[in-house]
Amino acid sequence: DAGVIQSPRHEVTEMGQEVTLRCKPISGHNSLFWYRQTMMRGLELLIYFNNNVPIDDSGMPEDRFSAKMPNASFSTLKIQPSEPRDSAVYFCASTPPGLAGGPGEQFFGPGTRLTVL
Amino acid sequence: GENVEQHPSTLSVQEGDSAVIKCTYSDSASNYFPWYKQELGKRPQLIIDIRSNVGEKKDQRIAVTLNKTAKHFSLHITETQPEDSAVYFCAAHNNDMRFGAGTRLTVKP
Repeated sequence: DAGVIQSPRHEVTEMGQEVTLRCKPISGHNSLFWYRQTMMRGLELLIYFNNNVPIDDSGMPEDRFSAKMPNASFSTLKIQPSEPRDSAVYFCASTPPGLAGGPGEQFFGPGTRLTVL
Repeated sequence: GENVEQHPSTLSVQEGDSAVIKCTYSDSASNYFPWYKQELGKRPQLIIDIRSNVGEKKDQRIAVTLNKTAKHFSLHITETQPEDSAVYFCAAHNNDMRFGAGTRLTVKP
């Protein structure tokens, strides 16, 4: 398996532009998580989906951020309009269906490094 | 919601020494506690995890302990090596995963 796939790996854009980050989870995994990582704030959970349904989006910083998961193999995180303070590494992670003992390992994608000028 | 605190934020040890990183959590319903290692420019990767029905788990040089009553858990790395240098994150899971702020471990040769 190729693991979690994210695209693009790097994105440089200008303030005010729309940015779309993409994620393909590992086949068979039914939960998907979007994280933002910065030096100042660490690893923040933005939103997560279970069986394609958004469960908790309380971490989404503002209405400028939106996420979708139209099917089990694809998710997007969109920022519109983007601002310099959105610059960060955005990770997508997926997990398989829960084990008898509860949740399991999250498998992270390589991340998208976003720079908003 | 869950709140995870991690200490110390930076840790420097001499090669061969032990390193200990501690985390506390707030939600007593959390039942899964993984530890991730993130090398510079790379993604976080799981190194060890523990569930709430277990007090201790060991995997070679790495061990994790969990005290559910006190709501804290710790990562222990023995016989540290330079390649252990990285940022380590603890996390606690109830309905979702919440991460600590990370500990930057430096192992000096």
